[in-house]
Amino acid sequence: DAGVIQSPRHEVTEMGQEVTLRCKPISGHNSLFWYRQTMMRGLELLIYFNNNVPIDDSGMPEDRFSAKMPNASFSTLKIQPSEPRDSAVYFCASSLRGGYGNQPQHFGDGTRLSIL
Amino acid sequence: DQQVKQNSPSLSVQEGRISILNCDYTNSMFDYFLWYKKYPAEGPTFLISISSIKDKNEDGRFTVFLNKSAKHLSLHIVPSQPGDSAVYFCAAGTPNKLVFGAGTILRVKS
Repeated sequence: DAGVIQSPRHEVTEMGQEVTLRCKPISGHNSLFWYRQTMMRGLELLIYFNNNVPIDDSGMPEDRFSAKMPNASFSTLKIQPSEPRDSAVYFCASSLRGGYGNQPQHFGDGTRLSIL
Repeated sequence: DQQVKQNSPSLSVQEGRISILNCDYTNSMFDYFLWYKKYPAEGPTFLISISSIKDKNEDGRFTVFLNKSAKHLSLHIVPSQPGDSAVYFCAAGTPNKLVFGAGTILRVKS
């Protein structure tokens, strides 16, 4: 059974460039989450979709970040323009019922993003 | 405003001994708590959870304790094994959101 699939695994790009991270959730899961992991702040929730609809985007740092979920099997997180402080590991997770209670979130292996 | 805090960045334990990882939270609305384990270059994986109506939950070598009055939870691993070496995240949730702590690095020495 395939887990959450993220691509690319690594991305190195120059400041100012557009970056697009991709995620394929587990089939049948109706909730999808984007997280950012940094040494200082740990795992921060950026945005949360339920049934393809954004529910909570209060964690999105600023207008340079945007996320879409055009269908139940695909989501993107875009940064435009990128800045060095965006360098981090970005995780996508999916779950049933919001990953709450006894339906935990399942994480992909992350995208390590480096902005030079 | 960190609602979930793991105050120990790292912990080192001898193989076979008990590992105790701690987590504090500030929001009394949280009613479900989870622990995740993360190996390098992999995503976090779910380990164990506890509802706020309980004070203890066991799963094999792993036990989570919840003290609601102190807003504190802990994860006990007994006996610790070298394969347990990883980053451990605690998370606290409401039906709409999970908030994660910054993580604790556990090293189990053989």
